[in-house]
Amino acid sequence: EDKVVQSPLSLVVHEGDTVTLNCSYEVTNFRSLLWYKQEKKAPTFLFMLTSSGIEKKSGRLSSILDKKELSSILNITATQTGDSAIYLCAVAGTTSGTYKYIFGTGTRLKVLA
Amino acid sequence: NAGVMQNPRHLVRRRGQEARLRCSPMKGHSHVYWYRQLPEEGLKFMVYLQKENIIDESGMPKERFSAEFPKEGPSILRIQQVVRGDSAAYFCASSQGGVLAIQYFGAGTRLSVL
Repeated sequence: EDKVVQSPLSLVVHEGDTVTLNCSYEVTNFRSLLWYKQEKKAPTFLFMLTSSGIEKKSGRLSSILDKKELSSILNITATQTGDSAIYLCAVAGTTSGTYKYIFGTGTRLKVLA
Repeated sequence: NAGVMQNPRHLVRRRGQEARLRCSPMKGHSHVYWYRQLPEEGLKFMVYLQKENIIDESGMPKERFSAEFPKEGPSILRIQQVVRGDSAAYFCASSQGGVLAIQYFGAGTRLSVL
């Protein structure tokens, strides 16, 4: 059965710290891995990683895909209180001609001032 | 607003009533996905639709739940005879389709069943 596992489940840090969030997967016919940030509303898209784009960076956030280890990490440097959110990892795979996202349970990050 | 629009944001129903959740995809998107999220859990895929077609409903319970995406108008997720266990946040996402299309999410509908 396809699955996506995120760790840690929750994390509390202080402003300025660097955090690393993990996502590992077992998904049929892997196509892409996506990171979303979810505050008290819609999950917002952060990054998409594919076989041809295994590293992405935007400001203080960066992400790497390790296809050999079937995993990805999301790094946030110099954390701010506004980074407090649930970070969701989703992996897209294809089955029977259609594709779907399998989501992990998320990592709940709290950044203290 | 060109984003994915869901309404209502909050819906309260008594056991046995029907719940209708609406989703208008982002402009230019013809693919819609519905997910359910329980507290402390991730998003669980329910159903994937294109205009007038259900592509994949493998995540949707066989009874009481149905979804449609008509030629005109929003996508509707319908839950008949709701039970307390249906209480959850229901998110809709849309995309342009294609294997590497990014799904963009609406703000969700929080259903509470009394």
